[in-house]
Amino acid sequence: QQPVQSPQAVILREGEDAVINCSSSKALYSVHWYRQKHGEAPVFLMILLKGGEQKGHDKISASFNEKKQQSSLYLTASQLSYSGTYFCGTEGGNDYKLSFGAGTTVTVRA
Amino acid sequence: EAGVTQSPTHLIKTRGQQATLRCSPISGHTSVYWYQQALGLGLQFLLWYDEGEERNRGNFPPRFSGRQFPNYSSELNVNALELEDSALYLCASSLGQGNYNEQFFGPGTRLTVL
Repeated sequence: QQPVQSPQAVILREGEDAVINCSSSKALYSVHWYRQKHGEAPVFLMILLKGGEQKGHDKISASFNEKKQQSSLYLTASQLSYSGTYFCGTEGGNDYKLSFGAGTTVTVRA
Repeated sequence: EAGVTQSPTHLIKTRGQQATLRCSPISGHTSVYWYQQALGLGLQFLLWYDEGEERNRGNFPPRFSGRQFPNYSSELNVNALELEDSALYLCASSLGQGNYNEQFFGPGTRLTVL
């Protein structure tokens, strides 16, 4: 089942922060985050495994709360290069099949 | 190191025809995944191949099929094309079984069904 991402879109000024949420109706085994810029292929950001770990990639970090079946991606001190559509991919069991959310479009303006 | 490559870049077909899309994974990667990205619908998982075998498939009809060759490249076939099959088809590869390995995506094939 497809996870639900929120918000659908967000507009930021450089230096501002944002949070993107990813929720699933079923138990999660892992959560993957990708960013896709317009006309390009999605690029991997990070994987979070169940256990409530938190990871970071430059000034982008994420958390995974398996009890709440959700993950959040944190964009800190956003840069123009952060613009793009962010997708979360969730795996509900040990079947290695990712279900992706519809995406959150982030626009960072100078 | 070359990334994931896909061909063709664009493909235009008419309803009822068949389409064949190709993907070459990164050297050393044995897993290949296929996704459909229709406008506004995000990435929909289609198929996963590893070591030449189909390991899993998404909720798509049987007219979506594929295979993986001994060199780990892969082919996606869509039979009896319908208008709603128009989408960007993305291929991704990873080092091996399991989603603990990040998936590297190719640039995609834009399929248009008229």
